[in-house]
Amino acid sequence: GENVEQHPSTLSVQEGDSAVIKCTYSDSASNYFPWYKQELGKRPQLIIDIRSNVGEKKDQRIAVTLNKTAKHFSLHITETQPEDSAVYFCASNTGKLIFGQGTTLQVKP
Amino acid sequence: NAGVTQTPKFQVLKTGQSMTLQCAQDMNHEYMSWYRQDPGMGLRLIHYSVGAGITDQGEVPNGYNVSRSTTEDFPLRLLSAAPSQTSVYFCASSSAAGGLREQYFGPGTRLTVT
Repeated sequence: GENVEQHPSTLSVQEGDSAVIKCTYSDSASNYFPWYKQELGKRPQLIIDIRSNVGEKKDQRIAVTLNKTAKHFSLHITETQPEDSAVYFCASNTGKLIFGQGTTLQVKP
Repeated sequence: NAGVTQTPKFQVLKTGQSMTLQCAQDMNHEYMSWYRQDPGMGLRLIHYSVGAGITDQGEVPNGYNVSRSTTEDFPLRLLSAAPSQTSVYFCASSSAAGGLREQYFGPGTRLTVT
């Protein structure tokens, strides 16, 4: 079945710096790659997604890139703010949504 | 709309007891799923359903049963609870088959098995 690996498991940056989280997937038939943010004690919420026919997508300070040949995709957050501190999950879809292990992002003021 | 609701919010079980975690959505979504969340292991898919009467296994289905008799409800049953099932359980729903659109998560159920 599909396997999604996410790195790093923890990431600490200074406010204003950029943060990058990377994921790899195993099933070449995967066609949808969302990213979810989960604040402490809350439910996961979608922040951005990308489909297999697109290489890059941007929404204000966040962007996602997809390399189908290498089977990896990344989340980029620019100008990080303390409220970006949370756990971020990537996911891959092949008829069911499989998540990565999560990255705990800490943004230091 | 209430979105996705889950009951109970917290539950403590003894080993061997059974219980049902309830999940309901009022968005007329066809796709529903159950995940468990454990520290360092992300969200792992237990079971999912693409519509009423259709269910399938996810990554970690052992020890759990599901059924989908209506579009709105997707209960998760633990037949004989084990300490390894201590976790936070999230139900989610999506308007697209296979979760190809945004998944809306419920608030979660924190289960402890002693």
